Amino acid sequence: DQQVKQNSPSLSVQEGRISILNCDYTNSMFDYFLWYKKYPAEGPTFLISISSIKDKNEDGRFTVFLNKSAKHLSLHIVPSQPGDSAVYFCAARRSGYALNFGKGTSLLVTP
Amino acid sequence: EPEVTQTPSHQVTQMGQEVILRCVPISNHLYFYWYRQILGQKVEFLVSFYNNEISEKSEIFDDQFSVERPDGSNFTLKIRSTKLEDSAMYFCASSANREEPQHFGDGTRLSIL
Repeated sequence: DQQVKQNSPSLSVQEGRISILNCDYTNSMFDYFLWYKKYPAEGPTFLISISSIKDKNEDGRFTVFLNKSAKHLSLHIVPSQPGDSAVYFCAARRSGYALNFGKGTSLLVTP
Repeated sequence: EPEVTQTPSHQVTQMGQEVILRCVPISNHLYFYWYRQILGQKVEFLVSFYNNEISEKSEIFDDQFSVERPDGSNFTLKIRSTKLEDSAMYFCASSANREEPQHFGDGTRLSIL
């Protein structure tokens, strides 16, 4: 049941550059999308979200873009910092309560 | 910053035994959730709980599973007769309302022997 897909298992970016993490979904009923960051031995930490009525949401260095026609969202981190190195999960929700997660993308920001 | 706390951090149990995983959600949150992540797989939804009843559950949440809010602060997940395939990281989450983001605890690693 791969309703939310993160096709890149890993990404390496230099410090100061932009990190772009991508997510695709198949269920057009999803109305709310979230990005979480996860460090080893910790739970997912909420980063940023976007409702399906918007196409962009920005919070500091983090921006999420939603392209509903392509069923695609992306997370931009600018500028990337070494502390951003973590696993990033995309999640989506329909009308209920359950979050559907992707498998995650491991981001490494190198000095 | 308020956080969701889970205990224990690691639980080792013999197959067939009952196990209870405990969570203290963020104090003013009203919606509570359990998720699990089997090693190497994605995080999967188990159940959501609001107003002292289950509001949604997944196919995984069968009769072996139950949830309870025994008092004003704790939220528990019980697995009645554990199986090897129940070995996973179990995450508790809470949110102020359905529209707000869910905030996760650090998880309990459940190992079934």
